[in-house]
Amino acid sequence: AQSVTQPDIHITVSEGASLELRCNYSYGATPYLFWYVQSPGQGLQLLLKYFSGDTLVQGIKGFEAEFKRSQSSFNLRKPSVHWSDAAEYFCAVVTGGMTSGTYKYIFGTGTRLKVLA
Amino acid sequence: DTGVSQNPRHKITKRGQNVTFRCDPISEHNRLYWYRQTLGQGPEFLTYFQNEAQLEKSRLLSDRFSAERPKGSFSTLEIQRTEQGDSAMYLCASSPGTSATDNEQFFGPGTRLTVL
Repeated sequence: AQSVTQPDIHITVSEGASLELRCNYSYGATPYLFWYVQSPGQGLQLLLKYFSGDTLVQGIKGFEAEFKRSQSSFNLRKPSVHWSDAAEYFCAVVTGGMTSGTYKYIFGTGTRLKVLA
Repeated sequence: DTGVSQNPRHKITKRGQNVTFRCDPISEHNRLYWYRQTLGQGPEFLTYFQNEAQLEKSRLLSDRFSAERPKGSFSTLEIQRTEQGDSAMYLCASSPGTSATDNEQFFGPGTRLTVL
């Protein structure tokens, strides 16, 4: 069965430090992968997505992610974290597909990011 | 703002009562999804509509839950005889869904349900 694992429940970094959030997926075919951010009281906002092609994907707010098929990973990175990045981050893989047409998401359990001033 | 909207944003109810949530998707998005998110977890898929047709339901959606999208526009999610375990954030998302790579889902702010 398809699944997404985010091994780190909480991560704390200092403002200005680099950030890497881990995501591992289990999916038989070529995965469609997403990273979303959720701030308190807010809905999920898309940071970036990977469908195919270049394995290094650029997103909004200075985030990027790298798809590594050999490691079944899609880690999110940011070179310099800002205090406003404090939020919960979710990795997701799309399942269902071309024949069923459902394209529902399977989410990881999330990583809560705390930023120290 | 033409994003996904959900009402109400918060709902507190007593066990055994019925509740109904509404989702207004982005105009012209023909795909609509409901997810449930409990504390410390990622959202979990509940059900999916393509236009007015409900095409898939998760095993999480017990017979106390029913969802509709009568005219292919807004959707409602009703929970009958609520239980404390139903307390969660209920998220709605829509997508244009015209192709496999055109299914980015846009999420609403959610409805937080508390069952006392």
